[in-house]
Amino acid sequence: AQSVTQPDIHITVSEGASLELRCNYSYGATPYLFWYVQSPGQGLQLLLKYFSGDTLVQGIKGFEAEFKRSQSSFNLRKPSVHWSDAAEYFCAVGPTDSWGKLQFGAGTQVVVTP
Amino acid sequence: DAMVIQNPRYQVTQFGKPVTLSCSQTLNHNVMYWYQQKSSQAPKLLFHYYDKDFNNEADTPDNFQSRRPNTSFCFLDIRSPGLGDAAMYLCATSRAGAGEKLFFGSGTQLSVL
Repeated sequence: AQSVTQPDIHITVSEGASLELRCNYSYGATPYLFWYVQSPGQGLQLLLKYFSGDTLVQGIKGFEAEFKRSQSSFNLRKPSVHWSDAAEYFCAVGPTDSWGKLQFGAGTQVVVTP
Repeated sequence: DAMVIQNPRYQVTQFGKPVTLSCSQTLNHNVMYWYQQKSSQAPKLLFHYYDKDFNNEADTPDNFQSRRPNTSFCFLDIRSPGLGDAAMYLCATSRAGAGEKLFFGSGTQLSVL
């Protein structure tokens, strides 16, 4: 069965500190992997995605994610968070051989303190 | 330059009174989606259109219907809203290919009184 797990429902981080959000997946083969961000009252925006190649993927807004096949993980990181990074972050997986719907994780709410 | 536009931003309806939410896109994407998102939860796919082909998720209630009169527009009709249908409704679009990015609108927040 396909699934996406984001173990952390809520994370609080100080402005300027580093951030890491965890994502684990269960899928038949290596899927497309995505991170989306949702600011309050807004739709989702793609931060980055991975399918193959370099396992460290750079995204927008200074985010990066690392794919680890052995751990079935795709964790999102940012070296130094800004207050504007306060949002909900969703990991998602999708098929690689054809178009198919995404499966989203439950999300991680990030709060940034001064 | 809004690419996926949802109207209205906020919608209040009465219990049992039909309501329609609208979505338009300027991206000319083949695929349009409707998601329901309740507070602090992941978006839940209700259905999608692949061009004119309608695809309903197995667990989408019959109360929810959709129309796509042309490439640019898609509507979500809730025939008899219940209190449990209060949620954010997100429209999204994508090209029809593996790994294609979803473009989301800002959503319509539906309240049911």
